[in-house]
Amino acid sequence: DIQMTQSPPSLSASLGDKVTITCQASQNINKYIAWYQQKPGKAPGLLIHYTSTLVSGIPSRFSGSGSGRDYSFSISNVESEDIASYYCLQYDNSPNTFGAGTKLELK
Amino acid sequence: QVQLKESGPGLVKPSETLSLTCTVSGFSLTSYHVSWVRQPPGKGLEWMGVIWGDGSTAYNSALKSRLSISRDTSKSQVFLKMSSLKTEDTATYYCARDPNWGQGVMVTVSS
Repeated sequence: DIQMTQSPPSLSASLGDKVTITCQASQNINKYIAWYQQKPGKAPGLLIHYTSTLVSGIPSRFSGSGSGRDYSFSISNVESEDIASYYCLQYDNSPNTFGAGTKLELK
Repeated sequence: QVQLKESGPGLVKPSETLSLTCTVSGFSLTSYHVSWVRQPPGKGLEWMGVIWGDGSTAYNSALKSRLSISRDTSKSQVFLKMSSLKTEDTATYYCARDPNWGQGVMVTVSS
């Protein structure tokens, strides 16, 4: 199975900051990576798929990039509503696998 | 609109079998896949498995020996069955068809 190494486990940011989360796959995943946001007590929500394609209605301050084994997810101009946990998911190779998650907190 | 809703017992005893149902609306199970994801309290997400539109399935390697996903297309329902439950299987279980997810159902494994 493909392992997804996500970092950092936690992140502290001020409103308006840019933050970046990375995921490294144990092998090439051909850009088949998605990023999810989860707020406490809620189901996860898909933000980005195929590395950089934003889901309809997701603000453009969210972005993704990468190729091969290395991928990143960024939030520019962090807003209070962005405080949540974020997970990457590879879906190139079955079984799909999630990263361990990153908890974004306000500084 | 697309909706998914999980249902099942909130409490199951160790060694027993968990049976969950995901009832969907707004799309056809023969055209879209449905995945199951779980999350132990305070921990991260774990992908469990998927049933594709053609009815084929794929499972998390660590759960494969205990897990079965099936469906009844006439009732728009997807089923998850997991045997030999352990306390570590305590989690919120979600069904999903991105970008839509169910609200989740909390399952506690305890005697």
